[in-house]
Amino acid sequence: DTGVSQNPRHKITKRGQNVTFRCDPISEHNRLYWYRQTLGQGPEFLTYFQNEAQLEKSRLLSDRFSAERPKGSFSTLEIQRTEQGDSAMYLCASSLAGNYGYTFGSGTRLTVV
Amino acid sequence: AQSVTQLDSQVPVFEEAPVELRCNYSSSVSVYLFWYVQYPNQGLQLLLKYLSGSTLVKGINGFEAEFNKSQTSFHLRKPSVHISDTAEYFCAVSDRPGANNLFFGTGTRLTVIP
Repeated sequence: DTGVSQNPRHKITKRGQNVTFRCDPISEHNRLYWYRQTLGQGPEFLTYFQNEAQLEKSRLLSDRFSAERPKGSFSTLEIQRTEQGDSAMYLCASSLAGNYGYTFGSGTRLTVV
Repeated sequence: AQSVTQLDSQVPVFEEAPVELRCNYSSSVSVYLFWYVQYPNQGLQLLLKYLSGSTLVKGINGFEAEFNKSQTSFHLRKPSVHISDTAEYFCAVSDRPGANNLFFGTGTRLTVIP
């Protein structure tokens, strides 16, 4: 069990560029979650997958955001046409269905300049 | 809708002193409650959780929390803190089994003073 792995750890991008983050969950976990955390705030739910199916999306997930989990393993979160307001820590977590409490990764810190 | 209020944004406490971090929630349904800790530049780690049963929940690192339904609270306590407890602490609530969607508070920064 190597935990939840997120890459990259830090990303600096210019406004208007596209960025993609990757999350590798704990291998036996079938649920995967994405959260966003801005400075001074708690994490906010973005979306979650059970296996490869995206089952819920927050209204925070605008049409510039897209998440995938092909084959129910790793997941990617893409932000198109980044804006300065997208600057945040993007956290990934995984769990087994029916298990309470996630395992979080260390996050990807995005800075849009 | 669920919401979580952490009343104290910062709590300084001397080493070996007791500490209580406060959390109140609002929900119209049965809830599942969690406390997470976040160390600098790290992800969140689950400290403890309340799902049902005994209202006093014991977690890792000597922390415990008490679920109080009448006061809609889930305060976190530790009888004697250590320097290594310095971190950000988040209370979270879910109204569904499996915690598909957790609602987090804004966090409490615990600083342990030597």
